[in-house]
Amino acid sequence: AQKVTQAQTEISVVEKEDVTLDCVYETRDTTYYLFWYKQPPSGELVFLIRRNSFDEQNEISGRYSWNFQKSTSSFNFTITASQVVDSAVYFCALSEPLTQGGSEKLVFGKGTKLTVNP
Amino acid sequence: DAGVTQSPTHLIKTRGQQVTLRCSPKSGHDTVSWYQQALGQGPQFIFQYYEEEERQRGNFPDRFSGHQFPNYSSELNVNALLLGDSALYLCASSLIHGASSPLHFGNGTRLTVT
Repeated sequence: AQKVTQAQTEISVVEKEDVTLDCVYETRDTTYYLFWYKQPPSGELVFLIRRNSFDEQNEISGRYSWNFQKSTSSFNFTITASQVVDSAVYFCALSEPLTQGGSEKLVFGKGTKLTVNP
Repeated sequence: DAGVTQSPTHLIKTRGQQVTLRCSPKSGHDTVSWYQQALGQGPQFIFQYYEEEERQRGNFPDRFSGHQFPNYSSELNVNALLLGDSALYLCASSLIHGASSPLHFGNGTRLTVT
């Protein structure tokens, strides 16, 4: 069965520090997608990135970067020069195909609460 | 472009009561999924609706049921509420494709059962 582990429950940094959020996953599927979502206090899950299992290239988007390593089943997320507005809970998720058609469902980790202090 | 909208925002119910939560998908989306997020946990898949049918259910009892309407909006119903049903209920919409379509989530409905 699919499983996502985010070992860091809470991380606290000072503004402008770099921070890496870890994500390790388990799956028997050869084709899958990995995701990162951000959940601010308002509750909405904000989509950050989706990565296909066949694409192991690292990706950078502004201050955000993602390191996908299939050999270690990890999909880590780094925020460079963190800002107070980055404070939120971040979830890593793995897609699991539905057996009866439809879009896949997501299996989420428990999340990492990031606090960026001024 | 309206995103996923959910109502109500907050709800307080008593054990044993029934509750209905509503969701309108993002414009252009035809698939709605429901997730339950307990405090301090990641969201857990309840079920997904497409073409007004339940496609798959997660590990939730029959007290949880749903419906999808022709305009793609959806309802989540929970009967015989338990204290453990207190959670944030998230609706997500997507578009059916052969490849993965990112889920777009609403702000959720926070249900408190007393």
